[in-house]
Order: sequence, then structure tokens, then C-alpha cells
Amino acid sequence: NAGVTQTPKFQVLKTGQSMTLQCAQDMNHNSMYWYRQDPGMGLRLIYYSASEGTTDKGEVPNGYNVSRLNKREFSLRLESAAPSQTSVYFCASSRRLAGGSTDTQYFGPGTRLTVL
Amino acid sequence: TQLLEQSPQFLSIQEGENLTVYCNSSSVFSSLQWYRQEPGEGPVLLVTVVTGGEVKKLKRLTFQFGDARKDSSLHITAAQPGDTGLYLCARSREENSGYALNFGKGTSLLVTP
Repeated sequence: NAGVTQTPKFQVLKTGQSMTLQCAQDMNHNSMYWYRQDPGMGLRLIYYSASEGTTDKGEVPNGYNVSRLNKREFSLRLESAAPSQTSVYFCASSRRLAGGSTDTQYFGPGTRLTVL
Repeated sequence: TQLLEQSPQFLSIQEGENLTVYCNSSSVFSSLQWYRQEPGEGPVLLVTVVTGGEVKKLKRLTFQFGDARKDSSLHITAAQPGDTGLYLCARSREENSGYALNFGKGTSLLVTP
């Protein structure tokens, strides 16, 4: 059981380049999320997918797109990278309990992205 | 956005000392979670508190949910170097949605031998 996996672990891009961050979970979770973490800012939600086939914007969606490829995989794409997108990106998943109670989010190890 | 304010932002203590970190909101929330993040890793859930006034213990960590459900605290007794990390509180972005979370900015704790 690998939990949540993310690739790549590190990436350096030049301004204007594009790339896709990959995320997969093997826990049969319904919901998946992408967060970014900047120094002193905690984690900020970029996009989330409550269930397969649906995606919604989070707190900071500008400059990003997502695809929920299937129940296991949720990718994050930067179409034209900017220095402001230098950050650590975390993918997470959760079972999504019935009744709306808060459930546990399981995080991947993160992707450290630098945009020059 | 439902803001969560965490304090202090940074804390550096010696092994064996006690400490308390806080998480506050201007609005009532139905539940609150505490996560710990070690350097170079993703956050890991420590506890979920649901009931106003609730106290939960996890070894040397004591979590309390305020009576009015607007604040929470984490107390560590006899801190150890293994407690070093970033402590984050989080709540649901929308009440009764249960899934996406808003996080506080965190308290960065350093425990030195």
C-alpha cells in the first residue's frame, strides 16, 4: 500500500514552460486535492475533486488546470509557468465520509517546483 | 474564506519543556483537525475534535476544543526533539461539505536536545 504518490519530486522550469504534476492514490478514496505550500503561508487549496468526474476551484486556482483521470489519479497542469508558482505542491486524498463530517486527508510527499 | 489564526508562528524550546499552541477563528466550526508536518514530508493527521469543550490526549499531546467551538489548543508536555515540525490546524471549507479544508499558517516548533 503506497498511499499517495507524486511525481516528480523536484522540478526546475523556465518562465513560460508547461508541465504536469502527477498524483495517484491506492486507497480507493473518492476525493482528491491539490495544495501549494509557501513559507509562512500554510497550505492553500488550488483545486479539488470531490468524486470521479468532478473538479472545483479552491482558494488559488489561477494559472492551473486539473484533470481527474480516473478514481486513482488527479493531475495538476501549469500551462505557462511563472516565478510566482515556485512552491511545494502537495496532493492529498480522502474517503469523503457520508453526512459531511470532516474526514482524514492523506498527503503525498510533495513536489518541489522552482520557476526561474 | 474562513480564516484560521495560529499562534505563535515560531517556537524554539529545549527538550523537556512544555508548550501550548493555539488556533483561533472568528466563526464557529463544527470540527477542527490538527496535522503535523515533518521537514520534507506531507502533513499527517494527529486528531479531529468535534464537540465543544472536548479534550483528546495522544501520548504527551493534549488537544482541546473551545466551548464556543471557535478556538482550539495543542499542549505538549515534556517536549522531545521528535516533536519538531510544523503544526497545522484545519477546518472544512464549507460546513457540511466534509472534504476540502482550509488550513492555518502553522506553528513551526523546534525542540533542541
